[in-house]
Amino acid sequence: DGGITQSPKYLFRKEGQNVTLSCEQNLNHDAMYWYRQDPGQGLRLIYYSQIVNDFQKGDIAEGYSVSREKKESFPLTVTSAQKNPTAFYLCASSTGLAGRYYEQYFGPGTRLTVT
Amino acid sequence: QKEVEQNSGPLSVPEGAIASLNCTYSDRGSQSFFWYRQYSGKSPELIMSIYSNGDKEDGRFTAQLNKASQYVSLLIRDSQPSDSATYLCAVPGEEEDTGRRALTFGSGTRLQVQP
Repeated sequence: DGGITQSPKYLFRKEGQNVTLSCEQNLNHDAMYWYRQDPGQGLRLIYYSQIVNDFQKGDIAEGYSVSREKKESFPLTVTSAQKNPTAFYLCASSTGLAGRYYEQYFGPGTRLTVT
Repeated sequence: QKEVEQNSGPLSVPEGAIASLNCTYSDRGSQSFFWYRQYSGKSPELIMSIYSNGDKEDGRFTAQLNKASQYVSLLIRDSQPSDSATYLCAVPGEEEDTGRRALTFGSGTRLQVQP
């Protein structure tokens, strides 16, 4: 089955710890994205990557880091510098970044709780 | 940053009625538009894409695009309780000043279909 997987589904961490969220896709998509969603809020872009070994900051990149060493994988690290890390984290991918290739498909999400 | 505006709702319609969801966008140059459905606690699911003025129909869903007025709407015919969800409008943004290239999402309209 083609799709996007995120793990874990739920993650609990203590304040001050870094945590890495996994995102893998087997759709052969070039572009991948990370969003954050807070209760009752819209999606906010954290980072995105158009191609392997390249990524750009989104609107709320502070306190987060990413890597794109393989086309299939785009892990997100939530560092201790992120002031309010508790949120629902969504990974998405698309064929590219033009016209109809902007169609993004989302993984199931990771719900992170930091106490 | 480009803006995408949606009425947060909730929009309440009786079962069997037509639900009309609206979205306005600020970038007159936008060429593609997307509607996502998000059930509570789940990730967004792409349900419609539209690239040219006019209507596009897919089953009970019709997307309507009016580029001159900068709005896109989603009509759901014969609404069912299972359609109760938040509907997100998304528009690509390619900003020359920041280099940002990604979808901008509206905050979503919550639809409630009453049995």
